[in-house]
Amino acid sequence: NAGVMQNPRHLVRRRGQEARLRCSPMKGHSHVYWYRQLPEEGLKFMVYLQKENIIDESGMPKERFSAEFPKEGPSILRIQQVVRGDSAAYFCASSPRQTALNTEAFFGQGTRLTVV
Amino acid sequence: QKEVEQNSGPLSVPEGAIASLNCTYSDRGSQSFFWYRQYSGKSPELIMSIYSNGDKEDGRFTAQLNKASQYVSLLIRDSQPSDSATYLCAVMATNAGKSTFGDGTTLTVKP
Repeated sequence: NAGVMQNPRHLVRRRGQEARLRCSPMKGHSHVYWYRQLPEEGLKFMVYLQKENIIDESGMPKERFSAEFPKEGPSILRIQQVVRGDSAAYFCASSPRQTALNTEAFFGQGTRLTVV
Repeated sequence: QKEVEQNSGPLSVPEGAIASLNCTYSDRGSQSFFWYRQYSGKSPELIMSIYSNGDKEDGRFTAQLNKASQYVSLLIRDSQPSDSATYLCAVMATNAGKSTFGDGTTLTVKP
């Protein structure tokens, strides 16, 4: 049973380019969460999605960032016109249902974005 | 005040000792509590979850939860050098979906 798969593992973009990060949840999981981790800091929640729905995007910056989780295919976190401050590790987690008691979320290996 | 606060660390213990990691949270509606271990450059790995007051033991790890005091801790017995990592405390309100993480405590176990 494959875990949460993220790609690419490392991504380098020049300022002003677009970055697309992909996340395939664990088999049987339909809930996806994106987190960002800046160097030497904890994880900050960005967005929570179910298939074809954004459930909670309270952690997403208002501009340049968007996320989707289509009916078919992986979840995509898209960052337009990247700036150096976007350099971070982006982690995706998935769970089989809305995490509640006795349900945990499991993380992928992350995508490390470097903006040059 | 941060929503989830962990002892700042770094924490250093000798091999074989007990390592104690602490976490406090501000949202009284929090219902689920998790400890993740993160090695440098790697992703967080879930090591313990706890949902009710008291202790929960799993091998060398014991999680303790006190909702009245809004406090959760992780004890690592017989610490090993391989336990050296950053430990992240995460808290979630029931059915909120997202977890709120502390900034982590870095543990070093010296041989």
